[in-house]
Amino acid sequence: ELKVEQNPLFLSMQEGKNYTIYCNYSTTSDRLYWYRQDPGKSLESLFVLLSNGAVKQEGRLMASLDTKARLSTLHITAAVHDLSATYFCAVTYKFYFGSGTKLNVKP
Amino acid sequence: DVKVTQSSRYLVKRTGEKVFLECVQDMDHENMFWYRQDPGLGLRLIYFSYDVKMKEKGDIPEGYSVSREKKERFSLILESASTNQTSMYLCASRLPGQGGSGANVLTFGAGSRLTVL
Repeated sequence: ELKVEQNPLFLSMQEGKNYTIYCNYSTTSDRLYWYRQDPGKSLESLFVLLSNGAVKQEGRLMASLDTKARLSTLHITAAVHDLSATYFCAVTYKFYFGSGTKLNVKP
Repeated sequence: DVKVTQSSRYLVKRTGEKVFLECVQDMDHENMFWYRQDPGLGLRLIYFSYDVKMKEKGDIPEGYSVSREKKERFSLILESASTNQTSMYLCASRLPGQGGSGANVLTFGAGSRLTVL
């Protein structure tokens, strides 16, 4: 059974702090996706990582992929309130999702 | 922009009713997906269609069926709704294939919140 595990599930942090969300998966996957979901809204794509060692950055978010360890990280630098959302990772061409990390950035 | 439209945002049905959830995309995407989203469980794949009349089961197909007669439309069917199917249902589509930051991401609809009484 394929498992995609994210941790932490909940993250409350102060503005200006750094933190990392982890995504572990149990099967071979040549790709990994990160999505963001705002409350009451649908999911929007953040990053697509397509190879081992891939790193993508946009603003205060940086995602990386280690296919050998079956691990992706989403690093948040100097968090701001606007980053409050739920973040999901997903793997394989069938997009199996993790359970999400709910991030609350306190002003 | 790709649009994925789910016909009903909110539905309330009774146990045992047959329920149709419709999803239409306007960008000629081959692949379409149905997920259900429940708190603490993330998104769970119900069915995946890689082309017209082609489908593959996801993690939780029990109690559901799908129909894809035309490329742009992917329907999720609950043959006999039960209370444990109360959930948010999300449809998504994408172009298949490798490469490119935009070519193979999922585009989601707004969701259909189903309550079964």
